[in-house]
Amino acid sequence: ETVLTQSPGTLSLSPGERATLSCRASQYISNTYLAWYQQKPGQAPRLLIYGASSRATGIPDRFSGSGSGTDFTLTISRLEPEDFAVYYCQQYGNAPWTFGQGTKVEIK
Amino acid sequence: EVQLVQSGAEVKKPGESLRISCKASGYSFTSNWISWVRQMPGKGLEWMGRIGPSDSYTNYSPSFQGHVTISVDKSISAAYLQWSSLKASDTAIYYCARPRSDYAGDAFDIWGQGTMVTVSS
Repeated sequence: ETVLTQSPGTLSLSPGERATLSCRASQYISNTYLAWYQQKPGQAPRLLIYGASSRATGIPDRFSGSGSGTDFTLTISRLEPEDFAVYYCQQYGNAPWTFGQGTKVEIK
Repeated sequence: EVQLVQSGAEVKKPGESLRISCKASGYSFTSNWISWVRQMPGKGLEWMGRIGPSDSYTNYSPSFQGHVTISVDKSISAAYLQWSSLKASDTAIYYCARPRSDYAGDAFDIWGQGTMVTVSS
């Protein structure tokens, strides 16, 4: 199974700052089948990015994804108050699909 | 509006059986696979398995194979996740999720609200 390792575990930043989240895969992810989700307490996850770099419908352009192969990045250009949450990467290129352990973006 | 609506919270005892549901609306149910995702208390997301509603073909994560059963009822556009004998370690929130396209391997853009399952003696 493809293990996804996210770093850092927690990111402490202030509103307006730039957030850079990493997701590293234990093996090559075919077709850049890598997604990013945001989850807030008590809510279901929300799709942000699919195909490593395509924004889902309605997602603001401050969210961007990049990477290929085994190394992927989610960047939030300027943090808004509503962006403080937990972020998960997920690969759907190699069965079974797997998620990273999550990165919590908290207010500094 | 495309949505997945899940059944309500459950409290069960170890050894009991359980089936939770995920009812789809707003799209052609047989067009998209449905997956189930577990989230244990305070933990991350785990993909459990998926089902193709048109033919009930299933894939399971090895971690969940043999422990749960995924099924559908096309007549009412519902997917199910069931256990024959619950354990305390099954305590979690369970989400159903739909990929953004009719291709089985795609990111999940529609999620149910989650069903909390508590297993305690």
